[in-house]
Amino acid sequence: SQTIHQWPATLVQPVGSPLSLECTVEGTSNPNLYWYRQAAGRGLQLLFYSVGIGQISSEVPQNLSASRPQDRQFILSSKKLLLSDSGFYLCAWSVPPGFFREAFFGQGTRLTVV
Amino acid sequence: DQQVKQNSPSLSVQEGRISILNCDYTNSMFDYFLWYKKYPAEGPTFLISISSIKDKNEDGRFTVFLNKSAKHLSLHIVPSQPGDSAVYFCAASGGGGADGLTFGKGTHLIIQP
Repeated sequence: SQTIHQWPATLVQPVGSPLSLECTVEGTSNPNLYWYRQAAGRGLQLLFYSVGIGQISSEVPQNLSASRPQDRQFILSSKKLLLSDSGFYLCAWSVPPGFFREAFFGQGTRLTVV
Repeated sequence: DQQVKQNSPSLSVQEGRISILNCDYTNSMFDYFLWYKKYPAEGPTFLISISSIKDKNEDGRFTVFLNKSAKHLSLHIVPSQPGDSAVYFCAASGGGGADGLTFGKGTHLIIQP
């Protein structure tokens, strides 16, 4: 069966510090990978998606970047965090375009920038 | 511009009754719709989905209805149980963008004993 791991679960970082959130998927090959963010009072917003190693597309311009160094590894990064980067970050995967459209989510990371 | 709208931030329903959560969308290219359930501090979990070629999909206590002409879908939970208390997100795909999902802001369902 497929599983998705995301860590850390919670993170408190000072403004201006770097960020690295990691996500790995097991039990599937060549998944589509996503990073979403849920800010307070808002829905889930797609930040980045990847259809393969080294292929990253950004949906929203921001202070963040993403990388996919391996097929089942997706990393969300920032060089200098802003207060507005606080939120709940979710990694997700899905089977590439076809019959299945459901995305499966990790447990999320609660990021607080202070 | 919000393409998927859940206009009710919260909904309170008595245990055993029917819960109806509503969702509207504006992008006519959406062709697949999903409902996710989310508990605090956890990732969303997939609940039920429907393709645009159907108008109803049922899975146990959960039924999703799609009205394409009105660009409206709803999730019915019958009977409602205390464990159903959570935030429910409506999502859509096929809108011409990435394969990622476009989510609504969510509705907090509270089941009263």
